[in-house]
Amino acid sequence: GENVEQHPSTLSVQEGDSAVIKCTYSDSASNYFPWYKQELGKRPQLIIDIRSNVGEKKDQRIAVTLNKTAKHFSLHITETQPEDSAVYFCAASKNYKLSFGAGTTVTVRA
Amino acid sequence: DAGITQSPRHKVTETGTPVTLRCHQTENHRYMYWYRQDPGHGLRLIHYSYGVKDTDKGEVSDGYSVSRSKTEDFLLTLESATSSQTSVYFCAISGEENTEAFFGQGTRLTVV
Repeated sequence: GENVEQHPSTLSVQEGDSAVIKCTYSDSASNYFPWYKQELGKRPQLIIDIRSNVGEKKDQRIAVTLNKTAKHFSLHITETQPEDSAVYFCAASKNYKLSFGAGTTVTVRA
Repeated sequence: DAGITQSPRHKVTETGTPVTLRCHQTENHRYMYWYRQDPGHGLRLIHYSYGVKDTDKGEVSDGYSVSRSKTEDFLLTLESATSSQTSVYFCAISGEENTEAFFGQGTRLTVV
């Protein structure tokens, strides 16, 4: 089955700096790559996603890049703010089977 | 928020007892999933369903079974609960392949 690895497991950044989270996947047939944000005690919620026919997607301060050849994708958060502190999960999907990485705990220091 | 409800929200049970968690949706979504969340492991797929009575195993299915007799309900059963099944369980739903999955509020299960 699909194996998604996510790095780093924790990330501390100064407010206003950028944060980058990287993921790799094992199944070259995976074709959908969403990112979820989970605040403490809450449910995961989608923040951005990308499909395999697209190399990059941006939504305000958040961007995702995909390298299908290398089977890795990354989340970039620019101008980080305190409300960006949360756990972020990458995921990879083939058909309707969605597999997640282990998560990255992001802390934004004021 | 998508119409998805998990019950119960919290449960404490004894080792060896059967436990059933319920996921109920009002969105008429085809795909439903059960995940468990543990520190350091993220969200791990237990079982998923791609239609009524159509289910398949995820990566951590041992000790769990599921049933989906109606579109709106997806049940997760721990046949004989063990302490290693203490976790937070999330249900998720999705309307189409490769689209957003919406999560329920989670069920915190403690096996003592």
